[in-house]
Amino acid sequence: DAMVIQNPRYQVTQFGKPVTLSCSQTLNHNVMYWYQQKSSQAPKLLFHYYDKDFNNEADTPDNFQSRRPNTSFCFLDIRSPGLGDAAMYLCATSRVPAWGPRVNEQYFGPGTRLTVT
Amino acid sequence: DQQVKQNSPSLSVQEGRISILNCDYTNSMFDYFLWYKKYPAEGPTFLISISSIKDKNEDGRFTVFLNKSAKHLSLHIVPSQPGDSAVYFCAALRKKTSYDKVIFGPGTSLSVIP
Repeated sequence: DAMVIQNPRYQVTQFGKPVTLSCSQTLNHNVMYWYQQKSSQAPKLLFHYYDKDFNNEADTPDNFQSRRPNTSFCFLDIRSPGLGDAAMYLCATSRVPAWGPRVNEQYFGPGTRLTVT
Repeated sequence: DQQVKQNSPSLSVQEGRISILNCDYTNSMFDYFLWYKKYPAEGPTFLISISSIKDKNEDGRFTVFLNKSAKHLSLHIVPSQPGDSAVYFCAALRKKTSYDKVIFGPGTSLSVIP
């Protein structure tokens, strides 16, 4: 089945130690998103890639970076994790045409739960 | 500033009865509203959407109602089934040139009691 895969499902890192989360998709979607979800809060969009074009949300801290080496893979890099970065990180994909009014459904991976010690 | 609000963190309903999940929003510029459903250890999955120019959309047991003057929408599940027990996220969408910006609410945890 076509899907969005996130590895690892659980990640523990130390305060200040760089960490990378990965996401892959078999849907061949052109847009990939990273969301941060803290406990009992709404998922919050960090950034997205439209094909190879990276688009940061205005309030995403500089500590968060992303790479998309090809259509299938996207990485979230946290350069110096703080205790406040402990959260669930969700990757999502969608196919966005250049035109058309319909909703482009986003497909989510299961998430990576990041713990910072 | 929370643009999408779900004021009920949890809801319990008897099997076979109606579940009503509520959502309020603050920005009148949203193009669509969506509901996502999330089971434990899984990512959210799209459930149903409604355009901002409509007031009702129905898909099987699920109906979404939109009241633009009140900036309020609701999801009705009839009849509720135990498999509907999940966290439901209300979301609002603005269509951009290259992506859909989706703003989520914090979710309501629905428990359907057999």
